[in-house]
Amino acid sequence: QKEVEQNSGPLSVPEGAIASLNCTYSDRVSQSFFWYRQYSGKSPELIMSIYSNGDKEDGRFTAQLNKASQYVSLLIRDSQPSDSATYLCAVNGDNQGGKLIFGQGTELSVKP
Amino acid sequence: KAGVTQTPRYLIKTRGQQVTLSCSPISGHRSVSWYQQTPGQGLQFLFEYFSETQRNKGNFPGRFSGRQFSNSRSEMNVSTLELGDSALYLCASSPSHQNQPQHFGDGTRLSIL
Repeated sequence: QKEVEQNSGPLSVPEGAIASLNCTYSDRVSQSFFWYRQYSGKSPELIMSIYSNGDKEDGRFTAQLNKASQYVSLLIRDSQPSDSATYLCAVNGDNQGGKLIFGQGTELSVKP
Repeated sequence: KAGVTQTPRYLIKTRGQQVTLSCSPISGHRSVSWYQQTPGQGLQFLFEYFSETQRNKGNFPGRFSGRQFSNSRSEMNVSTLELGDSALYLCASSPSHQNQPQHFGDGTRLSIL
């Protein structure tokens, strides 16, 4: 079992729709969770960080964390073609310092 | 505020050579982590430095090494290059070494011929 799992996609949504990206992790004591966006040929860009159960909203983005289910998700409201990218889920375990474990990423395509 | 700066952006080397990559973190950030990104394996953690000390290491052979200087700048070295070392090498910095968001540089694209 991979430590951090994501559906590879591609996930295709129409412009203006809600895109839902999911991630599960295996280390129950994981403490910190991050979503990165990576455009083709570019480096990952931090979108959201979440540390406690529940929802965290930032503009059109909402991160959701459920530690009991070992599940973290990212919702993108009013999706735009410029949101088309690969979204990477990253997990920082307990006492793991700066070691982030990344999922394989979900490719999102927003169609005009 | 300047972001994470990595040099060089592109490198072409041949098998058996060695290479040194450089990373300057965001001002005030003291933790620097290195990652390797390949199409097959995705993003994999190499190592992390904080206060000039290696705090964590990933599952890479000893050919991969690094160091951090007193100004938090970091270098990564790969010796005896193999074809499989072709990858995008990414450096990320954060204020401290635990549970902090990391910000990535543009990366160094290393190609081994």
